[in-house]
Amino acid sequence: DAGVIQSPRHEVTEMGQEVTLRCKPISGHDYLFWYRQTMMRGLELLIYFNNNVPIDDSGMPEDRFSAKMPNASFSTLKIQPSEPRDSAVYFCASSWVNTGELFFGEGSRLTVL
Amino acid sequence: AQSVSQHNHHVILSEAASLELGCNYSYGGTVNLFWYVQYPGQHLQLLLKYFSGDPLVKGIKGFEAEFIKSKFSFNLRKPSVQWSDTAEYFCAAGGGGNKLTFGTGTQLKVEL
Repeated sequence: DAGVIQSPRHEVTEMGQEVTLRCKPISGHDYLFWYRQTMMRGLELLIYFNNNVPIDDSGMPEDRFSAKMPNASFSTLKIQPSEPRDSAVYFCASSWVNTGELFFGEGSRLTVL
Repeated sequence: AQSVSQHNHHVILSEAASLELGCNYSYGGTVNLFWYVQYPGQHLQLLLKYFSGDPLVKGIKGFEAEFIKSKFSFNLRKPSVQWSDTAEYFCAAGGGGNKLTFGTGTQLKVEL
């Protein structure tokens, strides 16, 4: 199994630039989650999808953040414009219905200068 | 509101010492509980999970956890840690669906 695939693994950008993070979930999984990990706040759930539909985006910090899932095999998390406080590791995870077990990708480490 | 608390932020042990990491949760209704591990530079991986049944759950690599409903706790244990157990450990809780709330994590360092 390929696992959850995220890209890019590392991104360094300047404040004000647009950042797009990508995720390919495990085939057959119908839930997809975006988490953000920082030293100060730990793992925070940003948004999750079920069958490509956003279910809960209450964790998205600001309007600068947006996420889409155009099909079952692809999701994006976009930050526009980016700010230094957005620096974090962003994890994508997927799961089957009602198993509760999340499979995480390797993460995208974002640094905004 | 749902919440998960991990009381130990940093733990340092010598090899062969016993480990117990605390986890308390606040959740209405049925709760599913998990421990995940994140080795340095890697993604989170599932160590073990509890949905129902025997409150003592055994996971991979010799880890186990005990669900104590009256204490709202799900502590992680290992009788004898190894250097390779150095990692960050996350407790998580979910309400039967797939949305999980994670604790802030415990950094474990095992010294030779």
